[in-house]
Formats: sequence, structure tokens, C-alpha cells
Amino acid sequence: KNEVEQSPQNLTAQEGEFITINCSYSVGISALHWLQQHPGGGIVSLFMLSSGKKKHGRLIATINIQEKHSSLHITASHPRDSAVYICAVRSGTSGSRLTFGEGTQLTVNP
Amino acid sequence: DTGVSQDPRHKITKRGQNVTFRCDPISEHNRLYWYRQTLGQGPEFLTYFQNEAQLEKSRLLSDRFSAERPKGSFSTLEIQRTEQGDSAMYLCASSPGQRNTEAFFGQGTRLTVV
Repeated sequence: KNEVEQSPQNLTAQEGEFITINCSYSVGISALHWLQQHPGGGIVSLFMLSSGKKKHGRLIATINIQEKHSSLHITASHPRDSAVYICAVRSGTSGSRLTFGEGTQLTVNP
Repeated sequence: DTGVSQDPRHKITKRGQNVTFRCDPISEHNRLYWYRQTLGQGPEFLTYFQNEAQLEKSRLLSDRFSAERPKGSFSTLEIQRTEQGDSAMYLCASSPGQRNTEAFFGQGTRLTVV
């Protein structure tokens, strides 16, 4: 079992739909990151969370430390949101490095 | 400063050849990380530097892999005697020295071993 698991692996939505991507982890963490990866490889950091909720534009990230679960929500989705969304954790024992989930491929159709 | 820069963006090499990749982190960042990502998977940790010191290496980093950060600025990752299984995206990231800060990623170097 991976330390970080994401669901779903693939998600197709129509423009305007509300989208949720889930991340569960099995280790104690000091922080959780949500990242976006477009074709070609570049990764952009969306959020870093250690508790509660953060919002940036149409993106919302929440984390429940007790349940070891985080969600990334996209409101009013748009085709330009199509990308791979990756959850990554910085565990309390792994030092500084990140451990990544396998990613969720999101496709938003017009 | 335009962010983390990696060079080259793409590399095609024949099996058995040596390759070297370069990463230039954001200038004030003293932490630098190398990750490897194969198709359809999330990145996997390879190694990590704080300034010029290599503080952690993954078991994924076989004897054919070596990384350096000689002056605590740019870093190089060398793969000797490449194998087809080395084909992957090699990602570099940097962050400031404080714990729990964001990591900033480069565009990656895509290696294809033929």
C-alpha cells in the first residue's frame, strides 16, 4: 500500500462542474501539498496545508489531520484546468523530502 | 530570477552512454531535491542537498547515479551506463531552508534511453 493514495485516478468533467479530488495518507505528516502538472512535465505548487482549509480563486483545499485525508476542490471548472493533480506529503520522519501520490488526470470538456 | 531551471529539457541517449543533467535552483534557496517520474506515476525521491551537503539518498539511487552540488548553488545528476529502465522525467525542486515551505519545481529533463 502506498503511503499516499489519490482518487480517482482519472476524472472527466463538463465545463462548469464542481470537482473533488481526494488524497489519503498513512503516515504522520508535517505538511501536505497539492500540485498541478501540465503536459510537458512542469509542476506548479497550488497549496501547502498543515491544517484547516485554504482557498485561491476557484481552488479550495481542505485537510483533516485526524482522518489523514485531504481534498482538492475546483469550482466552476474550465478546460484550462485539465491537468494532472498530485498530492504530496512531507512526513514527520522523512526529513525534508516529499512523498507523492500517483496523481489524478483531470479532463474538463467544453 | 525566473525560477528553477533544468537543462537539457530533453535527452535521447543510447544504452550504455553516460548522461548529465543540470539544475539551477532559485538563488536564495539552500535546499535542492532530485525526483524521478515515470509515465503515469507520481514523482519518486532520489536525493536531497542542503547547501553543498548531500543529506539523503534514496535506495532508488543505484551506484550508477551520482549527484553533486559543489558550491551550494547549481546541482548535477549523472547517470553512468544508462539502461532503458532509466527512461523517465527527472525533476529538480528547490526550497528555502525553513521547514514546511513550498517547493518550487523545474520543468524537468525527459530522458529516453534507446
